[in-house]
Amino acid sequence: EIVLTQSPASLSLSPGERATLSCRASQSVTSYLVWYQQKPGQAPRLLIYDASNRATGIPARFSGSGSGTDFTLTISSLEPEDFAVYYCQQRSNWPFTFGPGTKVDIK
Amino acid sequence: EVQLVESGGGLVQPGRSLRLSCAASGITFDDYAMHWVRQAPGKGLEWVSGISWNSATIGYADSVKGRFTISRDNARNSLSLQMNSLRPEDTAFYYCAKDVHLTVAGVIDYWGQGTLVTVSS
Repeated sequence: EIVLTQSPASLSLSPGERATLSCRASQSVTSYLVWYQQKPGQAPRLLIYDASNRATGIPARFSGSGSGTDFTLTISSLEPEDFAVYYCQQRSNWPFTFGPGTKVDIK
Repeated sequence: EVQLVESGGGLVQPGRSLRLSCAASGITFDDYAMHWVRQAPGKGLEWVSGISWNSATIGYADSVKGRFTISRDNARNSLSLQMNSLRPEDTAFYYCAKDVHLTVAGVIDYWGQGTLVTVSS
């Protein structure tokens, strides 16, 4: 199965700052990489699919990039509601797998 | 409004069985593949299983293969997960989740609120 590694494990930033989150796959997933956001006590929320496509209703401050094995989720200017855990997930090969998550918290 | 409501969770002894259900509303259920995803308390997400709109394509995580069975009833807008030979490491919140496609594409745009399964003696 494909193993996803996310870095950093946690990130402390202030509102208005830029967040850069990384996801690395153990083998190529071409562009079949998905990003989710999860807040405490809530189900995950789809942010980005196929590496760079924003899901419906997702603000433009969220962007995704990358292909092959290296991917990045960027939040251009953090809003208070963006502090959460972010997961990447590959859909290239079965079984689908998630990364361990990156927690973005308030500095 | 899309609603996915899970039920059937609870406390169960190791080795026993449990059946989870998910009732879907607000969508044309047979237009979409569906998934089960779990999350151990305080831990990350783990994809468990997925099923295509017509049940022709089904997949499982290695950790549950041979023990869990996913199924759907399009006439009743429902998804199920039969869990046999449960282990303590199966303890988690189990989410019912909707794919964006008919086939099991692996892009999940709606999630239920989850049902907790605790496997313990």
